[in-house]
Amino acid sequence: NAGVTQTPKFRVLKTGQSMTLLCAQDMNHEYMYWYRQDPGMGLRLIHYSVGEGTTAKGEVPDGYNVSRLKKQNFLLGLESAAPSQTSVYFCASSSTGQEIFYGYTFGSGTRLTVV
Amino acid sequence: ILNVEQSPQSLHVQEGDSTNFTCSFPSSNFYALHWYRWETAKSPEALFVMTLNGDEKKKGRISATLNTKEGYSYLYIKGSQPEDSATYLCAFGAGGTSYGKLTFGQGTILTVHP
Repeated sequence: NAGVTQTPKFRVLKTGQSMTLLCAQDMNHEYMYWYRQDPGMGLRLIHYSVGEGTTAKGEVPDGYNVSRLKKQNFLLGLESAAPSQTSVYFCASSSTGQEIFYGYTFGSGTRLTVV
Repeated sequence: ILNVEQSPQSLHVQEGDSTNFTCSFPSSNFYALHWYRWETAKSPEALFVMTLNGDEKKKGRISATLNTKEGYSYLYIKGSQPEDSATYLCAFGAGGTSYGKLTFGQGTILTVHP
């Protein structure tokens, strides 16, 4: 089925470990986003990309890095995980211009716990 | 950081009741206002995207209105059903250099009791 796929769905990390979250979309969307969702905080934008090879910081970028080497993939990296990064991470994508009509398409989320 | 506020934070209604929630957003540099429905253990799904002042959108029993000059949007649900139970998110899209990014409100959690 067409859409946004996130891997993994769950992960437990120890403080200081690193990991990469993968987001893949097959809708040929230009824009891709990483959000984190914390209780009482809503969805907060970490980083986003407006096209292959481009990335930009969102509202809460510290402690994360991203890459968009291929149009369909947007990777979120944690170089040295901290307990404050325990959260549910959502990837989303949208098509240039069309997002005003169709909105974002979200992945199913990755639940990350840092102990 | 843009301020997008939703009220109430949570709402409990009986089946058949009609209800509405509010989303407040900056009235300057407006580009779009989105509403999403987010069911437990699922991903948010787009309900409406509105871009023009005075826009009204409808999908079945759910409708939304938009006032960009005063910076608010209302979401209405007529005759609530238990399957309407979800978190409803609004998101503000600004223009200019912020184009393409959305700032989300904290959501309104709706519970419809049979």
